[in-house]
Amino acid sequence: DQQVKQNSPSLSVQEGRISILNCDYTNSMFDYFLWYKKYPAEGPTFLISISSIKDKNEDGRFTVFLNKSAKHLSLHIVPSQPGDSAVYFCAASAMGGSQGNLIFGKGTKLSVKP
Amino acid sequence: DVKVTQSSRYLVKRTGEKVFLECVQDMDHENMFWYRQDPGLGLRLIYFSYDVKMKEKGDIPEGYSVSREKKERFSLILESASTNQTSMYLCASSFGGYNQPQHFGDGTRLSIL
Repeated sequence: DQQVKQNSPSLSVQEGRISILNCDYTNSMFDYFLWYKKYPAEGPTFLISISSIKDKNEDGRFTVFLNKSAKHLSLHIVPSQPGDSAVYFCAASAMGGSQGNLIFGKGTKLSVKP
Repeated sequence: DVKVTQSSRYLVKRTGEKVFLECVQDMDHENMFWYRQDPGLGLRLIYFSYDVKMKEKGDIPEGYSVSREKKERFSLILESASTNQTSMYLCASSFGGYNQPQHFGDGTRLSIL
């Protein structure tokens, strides 16, 4: 049973436009959420996180939005650049869960076209 | 910057061999993790450790064991390698607590023939 779902396996966006990557979760105990970026043949790189006490967190071109009532989070990349082309994973953890454990979605492959 | 180093980028072994994958982190992190990544399945947790000599099973521990004798080093052991263990293996580490990001190594692409 998937607790963290990324329903879009892929997304294609034009350079300079906004990329919106979506993630849904089922476990209401999750209270910390993260986004990772992964290039081929490299490990995932931590991008940005958000705690459940917030509904938005920004870091440069990256913004994560959290809608707790809908159990939904999204990552916005503005403006998108060709170097953003990668697989993006969302992940979640719960305070009551095993220490530091993250539950990952299956990823969305973002392609940013010049 | 956090540095998580995995001993091999590519490894080819034979069925039935005992295989060791090594991971070292330089940030004094309490937690260390081993994942495997397969197409269409995302990252799945094999084992994790929150202290020296401590270990806990993840979602798919069958066929694997781990060792953490020093805080900075976490080893994954395939007791008797099988072809269905061909995969990308990723090590990660983090500070203690649930709201800490994990930092990953570059992975080991393991092929079992």
